[in-house]
Parts: sequence; C-alpha cells; structure tokens
Amino acid sequence: GAVVSQHPSWVICKSGTSVKIECRSLDFQATTMFWYRQFPKQSLMLMATSNEGSKATYEQGVEKDKFLINHASLTLSTLTVTSAHPEDSSFYICSAGTRDRGNGYTFGSGTRLTVV
Amino acid sequence: GENVEQHPSTLSVQEGDSAVIKCTYSDSASNYFPWYKQELGKGPQLIIDIRSNVGEKKDQRIAVTLNKTAKHFSLHITETQPEDSAVYFCAATPNSGYSTLTFGKGTMLLVSP
Repeated sequence: GAVVSQHPSWVICKSGTSVKIECRSLDFQATTMFWYRQFPKQSLMLMATSNEGSKATYEQGVEKDKFLINHASLTLSTLTVTSAHPEDSSFYICSAGTRDRGNGYTFGSGTRLTVV
Repeated sequence: GENVEQHPSTLSVQEGDSAVIKCTYSDSASNYFPWYKQELGKGPQLIIDIRSNVGEKKDQRIAVTLNKTAKHFSLHITETQPEDSAVYFCAATPNSGYSTLTFGKGTMLLVSP
C-alpha cells in the first residue's frame, strides 16, 4: 500500500536552533501535503496545506515564518521549525493526499520534537 | 466549514465485546469518511473508509455505517481484542485526496482482557 516515510521520528534540540522534518511518499505522487500538530490527548490540528511547486497555505494562527514548508516535488515535503522554543515541543505529523490508488490520505509516522 | 463531532471520548469494553463509536458532520458536501487508529507515539493509520454512495462497508471485525440524511457515521468493532486498544479518529472531507480532512476529537478505546 501507499507509504509515507517521515524523518526523524524524534528530535531534541536547543532553543534558538532550527529543525527540519522530512516526509517522502515512497510509491505514489502526493498531490497535496498536509502538516499537522498534535498535543497530548488531543486531535490533529492542521497547520498548513501545500501543493507541489506552490506556496503553502497556512491555517489561521500558524506563523508561516516560523514553520517553513517546502513542497519541492510530488514525493517530498519538508517542515522546518525555525528558532525553536520550548512551546514548539509537540508531535508533528504529515499526510500526503493523492488522487492515485482510489484517492485518500496516507499519514507519516510522526515526529516528536522536544525543545530544551 | 465542516464540523465533526465524535462520541464517546473514552470507551472501555471487555475483550470479546463490541465497540461502537459515533460521529456527526455538518457539511452536506462531505463525501468521504475515513476512520483512523492511532497508537501512542505513532501516526494515524487508516482502518476503514466509506464514501457517500455507500451505506455500509465491512472488513472482517470492522464495519462502518453512513446515514447521509442524518449526517452521521459510525464505526463498529466486533469481538474486540486488547490490541484494538488505541485512539480512534473519524474524519470527513468533500474532496478526497485533495481537500483538508476535518477530524473528530478522538475516542480512546480500552479493551480489557
């Protein structure tokens, strides 16, 4: 089946540094990539949506200069958390939307970010 | 925009019992309704989905029903097993694969041996 590879699975970084999270669709082309943030015991909160070669569309309240999204190809999207602070610590998940394989969405395995 | 309500927030059952989780949606344009299982520290995994042209779909112990008129859909798990314990999310969207999924708040299912 469709697979989205998300790396790293966990990362610890110091305040003020930047962290890049990568998501690759391994065997299909991702029409759209969605990035979510999830707090403990809560649902997924959509941060932004991106299409290949286009600028990402950010949800209200999400700082686009802090959470940089790049969707350079139909198989790769990255989320960079710039100048990370402890309040950015969270579980980040990507999801690739595709019109292939009967449509649908495939989620990455998530990245646990801890900023110290 | 779409609003998805999910109940209950927690559900405890004994092994072998059935579990039912219910969701309602508000946007009549929604036509794709997936259910995801999320284990601790992992991303959501699709377990079953249904489209608006179908009223029911079954896959072994898991089934989903959809009532378009009432705008609600339900997940049914029969013969529950401890490994079914996880958080389950329902979602809805009007344009599968392209539009944003709107998620319910999740149901924590605990299956006791």
